[in-house]
Amino acid sequence: DIQLTQSPSSLSASVGDRVTIACRASQSISTYLHWYQQKPGKAPQLLICGASTLRSGVPSRFSGSGSGTDFTLTISSLQPEDFATYYCQQSYSTPRTFGQGTKVDIK
Amino acid sequence: QVQLQESGPGLVKPSETLSLTCTVSGASINNYYWSWIRQPPGNKLEWIGYISYTGSTNYNPSLKSRVTMSLDRSKNQLSLNLGSVTAADTAVYYCARDYGGSETYRWFDSWGQGTLVTVSS
Repeated sequence: DIQLTQSPSSLSASVGDRVTIACRASQSISTYLHWYQQKPGKAPQLLICGASTLRSGVPSRFSGSGSGTDFTLTISSLQPEDFATYYCQQSYSTPRTFGQGTKVDIK
Repeated sequence: QVQLQESGPGLVKPSETLSLTCTVSGASINNYYWSWIRQPPGNKLEWIGYISYTGSTNYNPSLKSRVTMSLDRSKNQLSLNLGSVTAADTAVYYCARDYGGSETYRWFDSWGQGTLVTVSS
């Protein structure tokens, strides 16, 4: 199975901060890497597919980059509604796997 | 807009079979792939497997011996059966549309709200 390791596991930030979350794959997965946002008690929601393609309707403050084994999700200016847990997920091979999540909370 | 709704028992006894249904609206199950994903309390997401519009399946090897997925085309529903459950199967179970252009370029673009299944006697 391909392991995805996110860092950090949690972070505290303020509204307006620039936030960066990393996701490292245990082997090269090209750009078959996707990002989700999950709020408490809710299902995850797709933010970015193919490492860098923003889903329609997702604010442009979200961006993704990377290929191979190293990927990054960036929130350029954190907003109150962005406090949530973020997961990366690979589709390069089955079983599909997720990172352990990065919880973003209020400083 | 695609909507998915999971339903089924919230409590299952150890060694029994967990059975869930996902009702899809806004899209035909005959046109897409569909996945089941679970999330134990406080834990990360785990992909259980997918079923395609043809009925072909791909299960997570960690669960393969206990999992069965099926489609009910007349009701536009998909189903999940997980046998011989233990407390480790306690989780929120989600169904999701498995969308993309190829076997490797796929993502989960629409999710149900999830249903908590507790395994306990």
